[in-house]
Amino acid sequence: EAGVVQSPRYKIIEKKQPVAFWCNPISGHNTLYWYLQNLGQGPELLIRYENEEAVDDSQLPKDRFSAERLKGVDSTLKIQPAELGDSAVYLCASSLEGRGPYNEQFFGPGTRLTVL
Amino acid sequence: AQKVTQAQTEISVVEKEDVTLDCVYETRDTTYYLFWYKQPPSGELVFLIRRNSFDEQNEISGRYSWNFQKSTSSFNFTITASQVVDSAVYFCALKSHGNTGKLIFGQGTTLQVKP
Repeated sequence: EAGVVQSPRYKIIEKKQPVAFWCNPISGHNTLYWYLQNLGQGPELLIRYENEEAVDDSQLPKDRFSAERLKGVDSTLKIQPAELGDSAVYLCASSLEGRGPYNEQFFGPGTRLTVL
Repeated sequence: AQKVTQAQTEISVVEKEDVTLDCVYETRDTTYYLFWYKQPPSGELVFLIRRNSFDEQNEISGRYSWNFQKSTSSFNFTITASQVVDSAVYFCALKSHGNTGKLIFGQGTTLQVKP
């Protein structure tokens, strides 16, 4: 079974440029997460989707970040415009929620963003 | 507020040594779940174990073992007879029952196993 797929793996852009990350979750997983991981830190949740609905986006900087999950499968995370401080790894994870009190989140390899 | 603390930033051991990674958590919830993830240089977080707050039995899986103690709010992870392939960043994480699925991660412990 394929895992969580993310692309690109690496992205280098200049500040003020837009950038987009793509995530394809594990087939059948209804819940998708975007996490931000700064160097030397643990991941922090940016947004969580249940199917097409964003149910927790309280940590998403909405002035420059946006996300969508059309048709409840793939998801795209966008930054416009990017700032130097956005340099980090952006991780996507998915899980199958609703069939128990907890479910493991499976993570993709992440996209490492460098803003120059 | 929920918080996970991994006080050890980096640990270096020689192959075949045993090593324990510490994790201390804070939560007001009575039901919660604790996790350990491994992050190798490739970057992908690999799930290792999940523990429920109502199950304090320790667990052993091969060279890995976990010691969960509610009295001290700790969930420590021991690798016995470490190997070079164990070199990675290890994260402890906390999730409340019934919440949005949000995992609260510690800052991670980098383990280097030298041959």
